Amino acid sequence: DIQMTQSPSTLSASVGDRVTITCRASQSISSWLAWYQQKPGKPPKLLVYKASTLESGVPSRFRGSGSGTEFTLTISSLQPDDFATYYCQQYHSLSTFGQGTKVEVK
Amino acid sequence: QVQLQQWGAGLLKPSETLSLTCAVYGETFSNYYWSWIRQPPGKGLEWIGEINSSVGTNYKPSLKSRVTISADTTKKQFSLTLNSVTAADTAVYYCARTNTLTGLDYWGQGTLVTVSS
Repeated sequence: DIQMTQSPSTLSASVGDRVTITCRASQSISSWLAWYQQKPGKPPKLLVYKASTLESGVPSRFRGSGSGTEFTLTISSLQPDDFATYYCQQYHSLSTFGQGTKVEVK
Repeated sequence: QVQLQQWGAGLLKPSETLSLTCAVYGETFSNYYWSWIRQPPGKGLEWIGEINSSVGTNYKPSLKSRVTISADTTKKQFSLTLNSVTAADTAVYYCARTNTLTGLDYWGQGTLVTVSS
C-alpha cells in the first residue's frame, strides 16, 4: 500500500491568514493526488486534482502544488467558509487518504 | 448532473453482513469506476474498493478477504457487501464516482452503519 502522511493534524488560523497543508507519499505517485474539503455531516468535496488543477467552481485562493512524494495545499487568504477538514488522496495505485487536517478558528 | 443515491441497513450485529447499494443518475455507468469509502465516527476517510463493470474490481488489501463490490449495469447500481462485521466497521459509508483523471468527483450522501450487539 502507498501510505499518505498529512500534516499538521490540526491548524488554528484566523480569517485572512495564509494556510499551508502538507501531504507526503511513501513512494512516488507522480501527480496523481487530489485534495478534498469536508464539513461536518457532509461528504467530501473535490477541490484539486492532478496535484495542481483546481476543480471547476473552486475559488482561486486554493492552490495545490507538488509532484512525486511531496505535495501542498495552500489557501492564500482564509475565508469563513474554509474552516473545515482537508484530506489528500493518492490515486496512482489503488487509493489512499491522508489522515486529515482540521482547520479551526484561532 | 450526476447524482448518487445510496441506501442500506443501518444497524447490524457482530458477525452479520453489511450490504449497501448506490444508484447512479445522469451518467453513463460503464465509463467510470465506482467506489466505496468509509469514515468511522470522528475519524478519517478509508478507501474500500472500486468497480468498473467492464474491467473489474479493486479492493483495499487489508479488507479484500471480507469485501465484495458488484454492479448491476441495467439498473445503474453498484453494491458493497462486507462480511463478518465487528464494531470496528462502524462508520459512515459513502459511494462515489472515480474519475481516473480527477479522483472522486461525485459522492453519495453517506449511510451510517452501526455494528452493536
